[in-house]
Amino acid sequence: GAVVSQHPSWVICKSGTSVKIECRSLDFQATTMFWYRQFPKQSLMLMATSNEGSKATYEQGVEKDKFLINHASLTLSTLTVTSAHPEDSSFYICSAISGTGVTDTQYFGPGTRLTVL
Amino acid sequence: SQKIEQNSEALNIQEGKTATLTCNYTNYSPAYLQWYRQDPGRGPVFLLLIRENEKEKRKERLKVTFDTTLKQSLFHITASQPADSATYLCAQGGGGGNKLTFGTGTQLKVEL
Repeated sequence: GAVVSQHPSWVICKSGTSVKIECRSLDFQATTMFWYRQFPKQSLMLMATSNEGSKATYEQGVEKDKFLINHASLTLSTLTVTSAHPEDSSFYICSAISGTGVTDTQYFGPGTRLTVL
Repeated sequence: SQKIEQNSEALNIQEGKTATLTCNYTNYSPAYLQWYRQDPGRGPVFLLLIRENEKEKRKERLKVTFDTTLKQSLFHITASQPADSATYLCAQGGGGGNKLTFGTGTQLKVEL
């Protein structure tokens, strides 16, 4: 089956620093990738939709200048949390789809646990 | 605005019984609903998709129903096993661009 990886699996950083998270589709080309954030005991909240070669589309309330998304190739998207603060501590999960159909399955990565001190 | 609600935060059942999880939506009927399994500290894993015009879908021990009158989807696991213990997420799709809106999930625990 389709595999999506994320790196790193966890990261601890100081307040004010930037952190980059990678999302890769290992055995398929991802036309679209999604970035989600999940707080403890809460649902996945979509942050942005990323299409290869174009600017990401951010959900309402998500600061695009704080959460920089780059989808440089069909197998790689990156999320950079700039000037991270403790309230940005969360579980960040990416997903990828390979087709353009309405009901294409999203394959999720294992997630990245970010802790900002 | 549309909400996806999974009423039970947690559900404990005995091994061998059928687990039934509920997903309700508040307003318009979504084009499709998807069910995912999420283990602690891991990303969700896709299980089943059911479209608005389908009443039931099955996959091995899993069954999903979609009732547009009740605005509800039910997710059943028959002959449950301790390995089925996880959080199960319901997600609404069809909102454009393959976007999904997730419910908060139901944590299922299957006890021996």
